[in-house]
Amino acid sequence: SQQGEEDPQALSIQEGENATMNCSYKTSINNLQWYRQNSGRGLVHLILIRSNEREKHSGRLRVTLDTSKKSSSLLITASRAADTASYFCATDSTPGNTPLVFGKGTRLSVIA
Amino acid sequence: ETGVTQTPRHLVMGMTNKKSLKCEQHLGHNAMYWYKQSAKKPLELMFVYNFKEQTENNSVPSRFSPECPNSSHLFLHLHTLQPEDSALYLCASSQDEGYNEQFFGPGTRLTVL
Repeated sequence: SQQGEEDPQALSIQEGENATMNCSYKTSINNLQWYRQNSGRGLVHLILIRSNEREKHSGRLRVTLDTSKKSSSLLITASRAADTASYFCATDSTPGNTPLVFGKGTRLSVIA
Repeated sequence: ETGVTQTPRHLVMGMTNKKSLKCEQHLGHNAMYWYKQSAKKPLELMFVYNFKEQTENNSVPSRFSPECPNSSHLFLHLHTLQPEDSALYLCASSQDEGYNEQFFGPGTRLTVL
């Protein structure tokens, strides 16, 4: 299975601190994406990183990708209470276009 | 919200009932998806439609029956469900099946008694 596995399963930090979440996968990929889900709601796309990219930024988000280790990390800087949510990585494998496969997610709690 | 709507938002049904979930996207996308999200399990892909044609059926039991009358609407017909089918059902769309960013609706919280 190419399923992404997020680590840690849960993370609790103080407002203003940085949060780092990791994702590992098993097979070669085209792209890796990160999504956020507020409790009981739909997922929201955060960022997509292609297999030939190593780092990408979007606002307070920084994503890295290491294809040799089959892993990615999501860093949220200067966290806010509103960042409290579950974060999922999703991958699609090569060759061709395959459906996204999501991990179980990391539950982030930011305490004000 | 993201331009993908789902109704109803909450549904409670008995095992002998028949109900339908509706999804509508206003983004001009060609691909639509049904996912099941259960507690402590990864998001499970159920069905994929691209240009109204079903391209993926992820070994879903026949008590779940999808329908895609056009690229903007997707239904999930439910009949004789089991309590273990209780979950959050999420609809998503993307520009096409090969365009990977997906836009999700808010979900329908389904409880089967």
